[in-house]
Amino acid sequence: QVKLLQSGAALVKPGDSVKMSCKASGYTFTDYIIHWVKQSHGKSLEWIGYINPYSGGTNYNEKFKSKATLTVDKSSSTAYMEFSRLTSEDSAIYYCARGVTDYFDYWGQGVMVTVSS
Amino acid sequence: DIQMTQSPASLSASLDEIVTITCQASLDIGNWLAWYQQKPGKSPQLLIYGATSLADGVPSRFSGSRSGTQYSLKISKLQVEDTGIYYCLQHYSAPWTFGGGTKLELK
Repeated sequence: QVKLLQSGAALVKPGDSVKMSCKASGYTFTDYIIHWVKQSHGKSLEWIGYINPYSGGTNYNEKFKSKATLTVDKSSSTAYMEFSRLTSEDSAIYYCARGVTDYFDYWGQGVMVTVSS
Repeated sequence: DIQMTQSPASLSASLDEIVTITCQASLDIGNWLAWYQQKPGKSPQLLIYGATSLADGVPSRFSGSRSGTQYSLKISKLQVEDTGIYYCLQHYSAPWTFGGGTKLELK
């Protein structure tokens, strides 16, 4: 069955970067886009961007363009998101999700990122 | 960016009641709309895609409809396990945008 397994929670200092992973299984990794979504505490969802594992092509929400970097490792069927220059506003849960015809059918369990000194 | 205005923000309903949640798109997005349910501490789960198509494994009491730029999610007979937060998502054009969410509770 399709699974997206994300890395564990992270506690990081302001100004630092964090890199999280999303390991796909149960399907051909390069056949589907991987999206990343932010959910701030108690708030709605924000689309960060996506990466095409086949081509490496990316599409970012302008709001996160200078903040997020999406990459993949095809050999391990893993997608990565690096978030840089972290502030308290970046404390949130981050999800990866598989894209099919542009909507998301399967989601990872989420990574809680806490930015605190 | 396309704005998705979701209403109501919260809703309390009784067992077996009919529940309707709506999302208004700021422009025509065709049928490029999906609905998700999120339980506390869990990731969102797909309910409806293409505005009206039921995702695999989703009970038939859930249905989606469209009237112009207004989209609705209907639960025909509310069950205990239907509590949670519901979100719409437009995937017509980037940036993809979500509605603000509807918190559904049992009365």
